[in-house]
Amino acid sequence: ELKVEQNPLFLSMQEGKNYTIYCNYSTTSDRLYWYRQDPGKSLESLFVLLSNGAVKQEGRLMASLDTKARLSTLHITAAVHDLSATYFCAVASLPAYSGGGADGLTFGKGTHLIIQP
Amino acid sequence: DAGVTQSPTHLIKTRGQQVTLRCSPISGHKSVSWYQQVLGQGPQFIFQYYEKEERGRGNFPDRFSARQFPNYSSELNVNALLLGDSALYLCASSFPPSYGYTFGSGTRLTVV
Repeated sequence: ELKVEQNPLFLSMQEGKNYTIYCNYSTTSDRLYWYRQDPGKSLESLFVLLSNGAVKQEGRLMASLDTKARLSTLHITAAVHDLSATYFCAVASLPAYSGGGADGLTFGKGTHLIIQP
Repeated sequence: DAGVTQSPTHLIKTRGQQVTLRCSPISGHKSVSWYQQVLGQGPQFIFQYYEKEERGRGNFPDRFSARQFPNYSSELNVNALLLGDSALYLCASSFPPSYGYTFGSGTRLTVV
């Protein structure tokens, strides 16, 4: 059974600081996703990481994937209040079917991030 | 373009009742997945449909069922509701072989 662990589960930080959220998963996977969720809202896609060593950046967020260590990180640079949200990583449990039709995602419990002025 | 549309947005049901949730994927997307998100937890995979066939099922009891229609919209049915079924139910659409998933705003189900 695929398990996805995030840490920390709760993070309070000040604006301007840097921090990293970690996502470990238990079995081989070819896809790792990062999502953001604001209170009472749905999931917003941030990054899809498809290969070992993949690195993607958008604004103050950067995600990386190490498939050998089964580890992904989400790094926040010079945090601002607007980045306050819950961040989830999710892993595909099976390879995507050829020709389409992917399987379900296994999510971590989420990291509740509060950025204070 | 319209995103993933889910209805209703909220509903309250009594234990033992049945409920049907609906999802319309992004135009052109042929795959729909359903997730249950209990408050304070990450979403849990329930079903995935592609081209009207079930392609994946999570660890949920047989009280949960779903189907996909020729226009690729989908319904999730839950029978004999329990208090523990109270959650946000999310629908995600995708366009294989693209790997991205777009989530709808969800249906918040409260069972009393």
